Amino acid sequence: RKEVEQDPGPFNVPEGATVAFNCTYSNSASQSFFWYRQDCRKEPKLLMSVYSSGNEDGRFTAQLNRASQYISLLIRDSKLSDSATYLCVVPRRHDKIIFGKGTRLHILP
Amino acid sequence: GAGVSQTPSNKVTEKGKYVELRCDPISGHTALYWYRQSLGQGPEFLIYFQGTGAADDSGLPNDRFFAVRPEGSVSTLKIQRTERGDSAVYLCASSLGLGEGDTQYFGPGTRLTVL
Repeated sequence: RKEVEQDPGPFNVPEGATVAFNCTYSNSASQSFFWYRQDCRKEPKLLMSVYSSGNEDGRFTAQLNRASQYISLLIRDSKLSDSATYLCVVPRRHDKIIFGKGTRLHILP
Repeated sequence: GAGVSQTPSNKVTEKGKYVELRCDPISGHTALYWYRQSLGQGPEFLIYFQGTGAADDSGLPNDRFFAVRPEGSVSTLKIQRTERGDSAVYLCASSLGLGEGDTQYFGPGTRLTVL
């Protein structure tokens, strides 16, 4: 298994729909995880951090499943502005940071 | 406050030339990271610093790449004898510390094009 794996997409979703995608990781020792959002030709920006069971922020919910070693990101009531690439990040303590290749999301009007 | 800044924003060079890319981290951030991102890929780790020292440089692709952070703040990524395959966006990020929960804040990147 790769250290961090994401479905590259693209996910084409109509505006207002709910969309979810996963990120699997191989390092069972990882304790914290992050979702970053990256717009085209822009730098990644932190969307959410995920500790223990999960995190919710408005329309966004991130969950962690340690047994199956994946984290998920769910977006409710999707907006056109949610169109971006979503990067999963798995830090390793005192070690390098591993980014997934990202999942491209297109919200369709 | 000011975020991470990188200069230049774009750099076009010829194969075989030497380039330097600069990163100014957020003030007070002790950890600094360099990544390289190619089109359609996630950022690829290159090296990170804790203070002045390179804590992990295992991501540097070969000895043409070198990075320094002499005073524990500004960092420079140096690429010798550039090759066309070095073309990418070079991202710098900084964080308060090296804890797993420390958020990395990214600069806008330097787009390097090697002709």
